[in-house]
Amino acid sequence: QVQLQESGPGLVKPSETLSLTCTVSGGSISSYYWSWIRQPPGKGLEWIGYIYYSGSTNYNPSLKSRVTISVDTSKNQFSLKLSSVTAADTAVYYCASIAAAGKVDYWGQGTLVTVSS
Amino acid sequence: SYVLTQPPSVSVAPGQTARITCGGNNIGSKSVHWYQQKPGQAPVLVVYDDSDRPSGIPERFSGSNSGNTATLTISRVEAGDEADYYCQVWDSSSDPVVFGGGTKLTVL
Repeated sequence: QVQLQESGPGLVKPSETLSLTCTVSGGSISSYYWSWIRQPPGKGLEWIGYIYYSGSTNYNPSLKSRVTISVDTSKNQFSLKLSSVTAADTAVYYCASIAAAGKVDYWGQGTLVTVSS
Repeated sequence: SYVLTQPPSVSVAPGQTARITCGGNNIGSKSVHWYQQKPGQAPVLVVYDDSDRPSGIPERFSGSNSGNTATLTISRVEAGDEADYYCQVWDSSSDPVVFGGGTKLTVL
């Protein structure tokens, strides 16, 4: 069974870059699409983007100018960078795997990132 | 971009049947997935590809999809089913991963 674990700072200052890493265990990163999804407090789920192990990416158009997702197959990890953050980027960030027909079958536990000075 | 519309809330008495809808343009032509999210927890896939259940999900959870509406049906509702439910599709023509706004299921 695939397990995912997010790691990274829980507090980021406005205008700085949010950086998170997801470690994949129990399965190879050289399969599936690997995604970041976020959820602002009290609100719904928002897809941020995904990466295939080969490195190809696809981002939410509303965030595309600020998002970079990368993968390190040697470490079984993938990462998120979101630049120029504001308070609106405060959310629980989930890493997840996307399988056939786009279903999100495995989720990390989520990590709260607060943007505040 | 593709839009999925869910009712904000649905209420049902224990033992009854809850139906949560997800509306989208010609959604019947897409595969719809459903997630259950309890407070403080990550979402859990409960139905995929319109009507299939992952292992470990009770048979009480079922799904259907036709025309412009997909439906998650929860039979014999229990107190433990109280949660937020999200529908999701994969839309290769625009934003690949699209979520509905979520529905809060309240068990009376």
